[in-house]
Amino acid sequence: KQEVTQIPAALSVPEGENLVLNCSFTDSAIYNLQWFRQDPGKGLTSLLLIQSSQREQTSGRLNASLDKSSGRSTLYIAASQPGDSATYLCAVKGMTGGGADGLTFGKGTHLIIQP
Amino acid sequence: NAGVTQTPKFQVLKTGQSMTLQCAQDMNHEYMSWYRQDPGMGLRLIHYSVGAGITDQGEVPNGYNVSRSTTEDFPLRLLSAAPSQTSVYFCASSYSLRGYPFVEYFGPGTRLTVT
Repeated sequence: KQEVTQIPAALSVPEGENLVLNCSFTDSAIYNLQWFRQDPGKGLTSLLLIQSSQREQTSGRLNASLDKSSGRSTLYIAASQPGDSATYLCAVKGMTGGGADGLTFGKGTHLIIQP
Repeated sequence: NAGVTQTPKFQVLKTGQSMTLQCAQDMNHEYMSWYRQDPGMGLRLIHYSVGAGITDQGEVPNGYNVSRSTTEDFPLRLLSAAPSQTSVYFCASSYSLRGYPFVEYFGPGTRLTVT
């Protein structure tokens, strides 16, 4: 059974710092890995998707990497801003259902950016 | 496009009552799924569908039924609500791109309390 772990569970940093969120998964047979953002009381917003054949994806100040063989992904946030405060979730799409089954999520990293 | 919509936003049920959580998407996505989110547990897959008329169980299907008569709609039925089903429920949809599963879009969630 796939298991996804996110470290740290919580992180508080001053505005302007660069930071890294970590995600690890136990089964490397994945189609893709997605990073989501969730604001309190809200739904999930997809930030980046990395296909299993890719090594990284970038969107603005966000960069996500994937090392499928070691079962690891990182989300790098450059020049953090208070608006980045949210819970960040990592999720993998397994290959057992031909890509049609759902995602396996980590429990998230709760990020606070101090003004 | 409205994206993925869910109704109701909030619901309180008594133990033993039944109800249906509605989910609809207007993006013509073939894949739809239901998750529940509980504190300390993360998001867990309840049921998923790869197209109209086809559904399958996820990680925590007990106590829930689904059907998919159209591409757009994927309702989740609670047959006899229990306090353990108190949770936030999210519906998601996605598509495949060149045969590979792609980005998942999430609805805003339904917050359910069973007393």
